[in-house]
Amino acid sequence: QSALTQPASVSGSPGQSITISCTGTSSDVGGYNYVSWYQHHPGKAPKLMIYEVSNRPSGVSNRFSGSKSGNTASLTISGLQAEDEADYYCSSYTSSSPVVFGGGTKLTVL
Amino acid sequence: EVQLVESGGGLVQPGGSLRLSCAASGFTFSNYEMNWVRQAPGKGLEWVSYISSSGSTIYYADSVKGRFTISRDNAKNSLYLQMNSLRAEDTAVYYCARDLGIDYWGQGTLVTVSS
Repeated sequence: QSALTQPASVSGSPGQSITISCTGTSSDVGGYNYVSWYQHHPGKAPKLMIYEVSNRPSGVSNRFSGSKSGNTASLTISGLQAEDEADYYCSSYTSSSPVVFGGGTKLTVL
Repeated sequence: EVQLVESGGGLVQPGGSLRLSCAASGFTFSNYEMNWVRQAPGKGLEWVSYISSSGSTIYYADSVKGRFTISRDNAKNSLYLQMNSLRAEDTAVYYCARDLGIDYWGQGTLVTVSS
């Protein structure tokens, strides 16, 4: 049940695009199309932003997009806005447990 | 509107027990798998436990196996987490979360294990 690997932090200026990576193995990210991404503002409930690698729930801005290549999934946020500043977590279904999370990435909007 | 409201957190001594509850509303609870997820202070999210919609299938993270017990009461639209033999490292905000591909989360309840 090892955590998926994410960069600890990323930053970008308003209007720019950033990408957060999420690296696992063939037993989780690479083996299933069940990767999700969550936005978490401290003190609030995490919010689902992307499910099943690249699908956006209703109400989530189309500035958020997801993809996957091999054992690495990615979340791209385009047209960065101040309100996007938050912690972001990936998760995946795994062959050994229902869910594993990434270590989280702190996004700073400069 | 989907709502998940956790309760039961608090301060407990090492070795003690605590039972968390999660009240669900706004959806047909008995149709959904459920999870408990926690976040220790300054740390990331950690999946704790899963239970199928009927309660017949259960999984635990290795870190809590043998100490925590997940259960549900579909008649009461409620999810539970019985936590025994608590350790300092169990200190965290505990979230109730809906479905295998988690789509909704509660606001969380804080559990502090300290003497």
